[in-house]
Amino acid sequence: DSGVTQTPKHLITATGQRVTLRCSPRSGDLSVYWYQQSLDQGLQFLIQYYNGEERAKGNILERFSAQQFPDLHSELNLSSLELGDSALYFCASSAHLDTQYFGPGTRLTVL
Amino acid sequence: DQQVKQNSPSLSVQEGRISILNCDYTNSMFDYFLWYKKYPAEGPTFLISISSIKDKNEDGRFTVFLNKSAKHLSLHIVSSQPGDSAVYFCAASPDQTGANNLFFGTGTRLTVIP
Repeated sequence: DSGVTQTPKHLITATGQRVTLRCSPRSGDLSVYWYQQSLDQGLQFLIQYYNGEERAKGNILERFSAQQFPDLHSELNLSSLELGDSALYFCASSAHLDTQYFGPGTRLTVL
Repeated sequence: DQQVKQNSPSLSVQEGRISILNCDYTNSMFDYFLWYKKYPAEGPTFLISISSIKDKNEDGRFTVFLNKSAKHLSLHIVSSQPGDSAVYFCAASPDQTGANNLFFGTGTRLTVIP
């Protein structure tokens, strides 16, 4: 158990809909990262937050957004969903300049 | 553009033998490299890392070797056990920590045969 929690574990929705994925980092970790893993692909970095502020952005679509709240949990919002958005979404957290620890992921299926 | 490549999608090894997983990268700005292990229905778990100033790092049965000139790293697992069966991801970071956005390979599925 990495100490990073993600909810929900599974999400099934339809094209055009909007969903919110939630992540709670390890106690004390200020950084939160979001990654997307599509079928047979490596993890693709989406976005990083540090203590509530956006720190780095990867290949995140404009239809996707994220935020980190004062209690340090983070949410990833995915809107106008397309079939190709079906993937595993991982959240990771780290202490300052430390290794990233990953949550169990949310499996999103868009039908 | 895949900057970190794991060209072997799968590897099978007999129990007790050495497993060698390979990883290549294209970006010479990468300074820190990590291996993560992933079991089904779980997130990746950090295994071992190496800084670009070293060419070897060892932790128990796991050793990572880095060849900067060839832009190649490998993970050696000695005395492989069935519990080592998992997907192994290589990752690279543009600075000397693992605390920035990581670039991942596509993974190698290791199967250790009893």
